[in-house]
Amino acid sequence: DTGVSQDPRHKITKRGQNVTFRCDPISEHNRLYWYRQTLGQGPEFLTYFQNEAQLEKSRLLSDRFSAERPKGSFSTLEIQRTEQGDSAMYLCASSLGGGIPSGNTIYFGEGSWLTVV
Amino acid sequence: AQKITQTQPGMFVQEKEAVTLDCTYDTSDQSYGLFWYKQPSSGEMIFLIYQGSYDEQNATEGRYSLNFQKARKSANLVISASQLGDSAMYFCAMREPGYSSASKIIFGSGTRLSIRP
Repeated sequence: DTGVSQDPRHKITKRGQNVTFRCDPISEHNRLYWYRQTLGQGPEFLTYFQNEAQLEKSRLLSDRFSAERPKGSFSTLEIQRTEQGDSAMYLCASSLGGGIPSGNTIYFGEGSWLTVV
Repeated sequence: AQKITQTQPGMFVQEKEAVTLDCTYDTSDQSYGLFWYKQPSSGEMIFLIYQGSYDEQNATEGRYSLNFQKARKSANLVISASQLGDSAMYFCAMREPGYSSASKIIFGSGTRLSIRP
């Protein structure tokens, strides 16, 4: 399967612990996105990479959140000192990018469910 | 700021009937892209259809078509001959051009579609 893959798919952690999610995008895609989705809501943008450069971070991304894409391939999203409000599904997506609007589809992974207890 | 509005939180449709899911958007840009995604209970976001703002023809993909009315800023999804497997959440999303802040996509709040046998 050559789609976007995320790991782990499910994570239960105690409040205050750190968690890290990994995303492997589609291999030729240079753009990578992280979104957060809570029950009954649409996904909310967190951050976005063009190759290894992190070009934008949402205000939703507090100081406890950090994302990296060191070699422009896979990405990690780390949440430090987790809180119950961090419980959500974390979605990764990738696409080809360009400087003009394009129909390059944004493909999503299956998401990583986080439960903070 | 750009915004996506989906006014139907839930819809029930009889199997084999056509269904229209509403989406309106707000943007100051002339160049943008519109997407529809399907999210079944498993959580995966499945790309359905794309419409570019300069596309003169309405997009179609199999049983899916996008009724694009640019002047009204609406991009409704039409599903013909609905099937039980169409039961899911449906999200309308918009992408603006550019490398930086405009390159993410934003989502509406979604419509839960339930198909009755």
